[in-house]
Amino acid sequence: SYVLAQPPSVSVTPGQTAFISCGGDNIGSKSVHWYQRKPGQAPVLVIYNDGDRPSGIPERFSGSNSGNRASLTISRVEAGDEADYYCQVLETRSDQMIFGGGTKLTVL
Amino acid sequence: QVRLQESGPGLVKPSETLSLTCSVSGDSISTSPHYWGWIRQSPGKGLEWIGNIYSSGNTYYSVSLKSRVTILVDTSKNQFSLKLTSVTAADTAEYFCARTSIAADWHFDLWGRGTLVTVSS
Repeated sequence: SYVLAQPPSVSVTPGQTAFISCGGDNIGSKSVHWYQRKPGQAPVLVIYNDGDRPSGIPERFSGSNSGNRASLTISRVEAGDEADYYCQVLETRSDQMIFGGGTKLTVL
Repeated sequence: QVRLQESGPGLVKPSETLSLTCSVSGDSISTSPHYWGWIRQSPGKGLEWIGNIYSSGNTYYSVSLKSRVTILVDTSKNQFSLKLTSVTAADTAEYFCARTSIAADWHFDLWGRGTLVTVSS
């Protein structure tokens, strides 16, 4: 089965840029989506189709995808960005929706 | 504004069947181009996809749960439901329903707030 690998944690100070990776075999051939999950709240889609932002998501959130790695970039990080972030793809061969293990973003 | 709301028992006994319903407002399941899905998150773990359903009743299930899962749709009530049989403590989780966009690979563009289900005697 297809596996997505994310670092368990990423830490940044306010105003810096956070990079969260999502690794998978030839993930560049798939569309990658990213979700933000804050404690006690429903997950929120922050990036879809590698780099598109849903309405209401700040431009500080961006995404890229190539080769065996996709990335979520959060520029000018704010305290409110502290959350767990999950990447997700569709494994088309088996019609399975796959999530990465999640990355906890800590804003120091 | 589209909203999804999960409902169902918060406590289920081991070996019994977990049943949840997702009520959709602001969008019509019968005419929407979207699929509708269930996802869960066990304590301390990540998100796990359970399955999706279309208004026609067409379904896709996680291979790891397929033998125990049934997702149904009731377009007259604008609801869809989840049944998970033979539950164990490992099925204790927060369960979310979500709207699934199928444009350019599937993703969940709108989520319910989630409901916690504990499996315990």
